[in-house]
This record gives sequence, C-alpha cells and structure tokens, in this order.
Amino acid sequence: EAGVAQSPRYKIIEKRQSVAFWCNPISGHATLYWYQQILGQGPKLLIQFQNNGVVDDSQLPKDRFSAERLKGVDSTLKIQPAKLEDSAVYLCASSSGPGARYGYTFGSGTRLTVV
Amino acid sequence: GDSVTQMEGPVTLSEEAFLTINCTYTATGYPSLFWYVQYPGEGLQLLLKATKADDKGSNKGFEATYRKETTSFHLEKGSVQVSDSAVYFCAQTVSGNTPLVFGKGTRLSVIA
Repeated sequence: EAGVAQSPRYKIIEKRQSVAFWCNPISGHATLYWYQQILGQGPKLLIQFQNNGVVDDSQLPKDRFSAERLKGVDSTLKIQPAKLEDSAVYLCASSSGPGARYGYTFGSGTRLTVV
Repeated sequence: GDSVTQMEGPVTLSEEAFLTINCTYTATGYPSLFWYVQYPGEGLQLLLKATKADDKGSNKGFEATYRKETTSFHLEKGSVQVSDSAVYFCAQTVSGNTPLVFGKGTRLSVIA
C-alpha cells in the first residue's frame, strides 16, 4: 500500500511571501488531517477533513492559512502571507475514519523555513 | 483542556541500557493513549497504544501500561539498540472520533 505523499519536502521563502503544500492520502481514506510541528514541540492539529468537508478548523489561523480538499482526495494547505513564526514541519495524515481509533498514517512532512 | 506532558529530552543512553520515557495526561474523560515514533527523515509511526485502564501496549520490545490512578503511560524498553534512536511522542484522544493531541516529544539517542 502506498503511503501518504507530501510535496515539497523542503521550502524556504521570505516573510510575506505565499507558499502551498500538497498532500495525497492513502487511497480510500476518507479523513485527512494537517498538523503543524514547530521545532521542539509536538504536532498541533490545524484542520481535519472528512471527505471534502471540514470537520475541525478551530486552530487554523484563518487570516493567513487556508486549506481545501477538492473531490475528497488530494489536499492543499496554503499560507499567505507567511510570517517567521510559521517556520515548522507541516504533516499530513490520513485515516479510514474520523479519529485515532481508525489509525493514522502520516506523510514525511514538508519543512518550511521563513526568513 | 486535554493535554499530554512528556519528560524533557534529549535522552542519551548506551546500547543495552534500560529506557523509560515518562508521559502523563490530563483529560476530562477516559482517553485512549498512544506512543508514536519519528525516525530521522520519516513520518510519525504508531508504536503502541492502550484504550482502557490497566491495558498494556507493546511492540518491538517497547511497553507502556495505562495507569488511571497516576494518569500515566510511561514508555519502557529493557535493552535499547542504536536503531531505536528517534523522537518519541506520547498522544491521546478523548474519544474514538477526535483527533490526536500530542506531547512535545522526547529525543532518544542510543550510542554504541
């Protein structure tokens, strides 16, 4: 079974620029999560999708972050404009159902550096 | 709110040493508890889990027991190997349908 694919692996941008990350979940997985992992901290949930609908985006900074999951498969997370404190690893995960009891599969992440 | 607290790292051990990484949780209900591992350059992988009090999760020589009385889920391994070097995350979910909440992670380095 193919894993969760994320791209790019690394990205360096200047503050106030825009950036987008892409995630392709495991085939058939209805639930998709985006987590932000700042250096030295644990992953923090940004947004959860169930198929193409948003289940939880309460911790997504909506003034600058946006995410979509068109057709309930691939997802894109965008930051516009980026700030220095957005430097982090952005992790995508998918599962066959909502919540941890269905088992998460994580991608390798995208490491963003904002300078 | 619901949270997970792990011991600070990094932890450096010699090969074949005994490992303990402490984890405590706060939750309004009875959460399910997890340990995830992140090897260098890779995504998070589930190491083990326990869904109710007194359950013991185990995998690859690692063990953790869900202790409701002390709200803890400490990770242990009797004899670590160099290949165990990674970052370990304790996590919880309050109900089966809610996302994982992670601790800050503990970096383990095992030297030969």
